[in-house]
Amino acid sequence: GENVEQHPSTLSVQEGDSAVIKCTYSDSASNYFPWYKQELGKRPQLIIDIRSNVGEKKDQRIAVTLNKTAKHFSLHITETQPEDSAVYFCAAPSGTYKYIFGTGTRLKVLA
Amino acid sequence: DAGITQSPRYKITETGRQVTLMCHQTWSHSYMFWYRQDLGHGLRLIYYSAAADITDKGEVPDGYVVSRSKTENFPLTLESATRSQTSVYFCAVHSGGGYTFGSGTRLTVV
Repeated sequence: GENVEQHPSTLSVQEGDSAVIKCTYSDSASNYFPWYKQELGKRPQLIIDIRSNVGEKKDQRIAVTLNKTAKHFSLHITETQPEDSAVYFCAAPSGTYKYIFGTGTRLKVLA
Repeated sequence: DAGITQSPRYKITETGRQVTLMCHQTWSHSYMFWYRQDLGHGLRLIYYSAAADITDKGEVPDGYVVSRSKTENFPLTLESATRSQTSVYFCAVHSGGGYTFGSGTRLTVV
């Protein structure tokens, strides 16, 4: 079955700097990779996703890249702001609409 | 989203008691899921359902029971609660590309 590893577990950046979170997956047949943001005490919310037929997708200050050969995908946040502070989860499919989640990255944006 | 609600938000129960967590969607999405969230483990799938009366196990199903007699409801029951089941439980529906999660239930087993 699918296995997902996520790094780093914690990440501190200065406001305005970039942040990168990386995930690896094991199943080469996986074709859809969502990212979720969870603010303290709140539910996880989908922020961006990527399908295996593209290598990169952007949405304002966030982007996701996918390397199918190496089986890893990354979340990039540019010009970080205090409201970006949260826990971020990557996920990969493990069946029809089932997902295996990474263990999460706690991002702290320092003012 | 108001379309998926969980109850209760907080629950404290004693070891050995049965407890049921409720999940209700106002849409008609076929797939529903129960995840538990623990520090260091992320989100782990307990059970899921593809439609009414169709359920299947996830990664960590032991000690849990689910049912889905109606499309909109997907209750999760802990038959005999243990301290290791202290966790935050999230219900989710598959909607479009990914999940929409409920607001969660924080369960403490003492």
